[in-house]
Amino acid sequence: DTAVSQTPKYLVTQMGNDKSIKCEQNLGHDTMYWYKQDSKKFLKIMFSYNNKELIINETVPNRFSPKSPDKAHLNLHINSLELGDSAVYFCASSQDYGGPPGEQYFGPGTRLTVT
Amino acid sequence: AQSVSQHNHHVILSEAASLELGCNYSYGGTVNLFWYVQYPGQHLQLLLKYFSGDPLVKGIKGFEAEFIKSKFSFNLRKPSVQWSDTAEYFCAVMRDSSYKLIFGSGTRLLVRP
Repeated sequence: DTAVSQTPKYLVTQMGNDKSIKCEQNLGHDTMYWYKQDSKKFLKIMFSYNNKELIINETVPNRFSPKSPDKAHLNLHINSLELGDSAVYFCASSQDYGGPPGEQYFGPGTRLTVT
Repeated sequence: AQSVSQHNHHVILSEAASLELGCNYSYGGTVNLFWYVQYPGQHLQLLLKYFSGDPLVKGIKGFEAEFIKSKFSFNLRKPSVQWSDTAEYFCAVMRDSSYKLIFGSGTRLLVRP
């Protein structure tokens, strides 16, 4: 009964490839997020969707494209992968329902290694 | 730009020692404050949060934090640490219902048995 799940857990790929990471939450939350954690453990928000609408789009290369087919899913597609994309990517969700943003629940992370 | 500073990057303590991890932020408006913990190989878990009310907040596993508005601080404390508290601790700030959680750089805590 995992609250926020991500697949795959590990992803090793070569430069130039295109890959996707999937995220699903079964908490009934209406806001989902993608974060990137670099090798120094620094966490930075990338995107956020509220009820399938993009509400946060940080300064991220346009090779990264989030897609939210419904409010329980937020996928991250990355084109033309580069060495610098190697990181751990965390998905998160929060319950807001039109009020102030609530606490965020994080998934287990996807460790992406680009060779 | 809003920033969150965690001044202690690495902390080493012996079991039963007291812990205080510093967190300062730079935004002057209304903020929501959080401490998250990341145990080795695991995802982030919420330790405690402050939205409003009593500035002394109690969280899970005996942790507490105090919001001092005049100092823009939200320091994390625990009176007696255990070996199982070894982890990375992240302070995070969300301003004005913005949805955007800004994280500090983290503090790595090592507790020696």
